[in-house]
Amino acid sequence: KAGVTQTPRYLIKTRGQQVTLSCSPISGHRSVSWYQQTPGQGLQFLFEYFSETQRNKGNFPGRFSGRQFSNSRSEMNVSTLELGDSALYLCASSLSGAMAFFGQGTRLTVV
Amino acid sequence: ILNVEQSPQSLHVQEGDSTNFTCSFPSSNFYALHWYRWETAKSPEALFVMTLNGDEKKKGRISATLNTKEGYSYLYIKGSQPEDSATYLCASLQGGSEKLVFGKGMKLTVNP
Repeated sequence: KAGVTQTPRYLIKTRGQQVTLSCSPISGHRSVSWYQQTPGQGLQFLFEYFSETQRNKGNFPGRFSGRQFSNSRSEMNVSTLELGDSALYLCASSLSGAMAFFGQGTRLTVV
Repeated sequence: ILNVEQSPQSLHVQEGDSTNFTCSFPSSNFYALHWYRWETAKSPEALFVMTLNGDEKKKGRISATLNTKEGYSYLYIKGSQPEDSATYLCASLQGGSEKLVFGKGMKLTVNP
């Protein structure tokens, strides 16, 4: 079956703009989590959605938001982009509590 | 605050060497410990999900053990091969939360 799909793969934005990233989970997976990875840091948890509800949220400012649709696809939005938001953004889907399956990520560069 | 620590942060070994890495995590309210392997330009790939104290899992030349009482897990690679070169991540899941907390990873380089 198809894996986790993230679009776009690469993105360049300027400071102050906003961006929306998309994640399509594995069919049947209702939990979708988002992570940020910056150089020298581990995967930092952003938020987790299950059945269109945000169940968990990490320690990120309110500029970072997300949502999940009825088909379990999820989007992540970052408003008023800052240079420090340049990172690899990964999403992962899972059956609740089970191992996570990751997409290939979106590489965001803010200039 | 839940901190997951991995050591060493990087390791260079020769082909055929056996290696082991440590992941430490808070033992309170433990639910599960995950190990992932992340090769360059690919997605992280799950290796193991471990839940029981004393659990031991194996996948080919890779195995892992879990001690939930003292809060640590070991990952072993027997007879490392160049294709084992990757970053190995562990992540802890606490009871009642779907939030996986990752360590910073351990980058393994196996020289032929």
